[in-house]
Amino acid sequence: AQSVTQPDIHITVSEGASLELRCNYSYGATPYLFWYVQSPGQGLQLLLKYFSGDTLVQGIKGFEAEFKRSQSSFNLRKPSVHWSDAAEYFCAVGAGYGGATNKLIFGTGTLLAVQP
Amino acid sequence: DVKVTQSSRYLVKRTGEKVFLECVQDMDHENMFWYRQDPGLGLRLIYFSYDVKMKEKGDIPEGYSVSREKKERFSLILESASTNQTSMYLCASSLGGREEKLLFGSGTQLSVL
Repeated sequence: AQSVTQPDIHITVSEGASLELRCNYSYGATPYLFWYVQSPGQGLQLLLKYFSGDTLVQGIKGFEAEFKRSQSSFNLRKPSVHWSDAAEYFCAVGAGYGGATNKLIFGTGTLLAVQP
Repeated sequence: DVKVTQSSRYLVKRTGEKVFLECVQDMDHENMFWYRQDPGLGLRLIYFSYDVKMKEKGDIPEGYSVSREKKERFSLILESASTNQTSMYLCASSLGGREEKLLFGSGTQLSVL
């Protein structure tokens, strides 16, 4: 069965430090992978997505993610974190339905705190 | 701005009540989804719809039903609300195709007392 694992529940980084959030997936075919961010009291916003091609994907707000098929991973990175990046981050895999619908399976999320 | 609108931000209901959560999208999207979000569990799919009057069960459909009579509106129904249905409910929509992103509403925090 398809699944997504985010092993880190909470992460705290200092402002200006680099960030890496981990995501591992289980999916039988070529995965469609997404990272979303949720600020307090808000819905989810798409940061970036991967379908094929270049395994390093650039997203909004200076985020990037690298797809590694051999490790079944899709880790999110940012070289320098800003206080406004404090939020919850969700990794998701597109499970599909009849090839026409992008049913997403989400991980349990990683809550990011940023210290001044 | 294109958006997904959920009718209530906060809702308090009593056990046994019938509850309707409404979601409207203005993007002419084919697909609509209902997720519930609980701390430590992430988002879990309740139901989704890929066309008017069409629906499919997600991972946790028990205790819920849905209705999609018009393309832009997708309703989640709790036939008899229970305390274990206290949660954040998120509606989303998308165009067809696995590569399409989901656009989310701001969520409805439902408390069942």
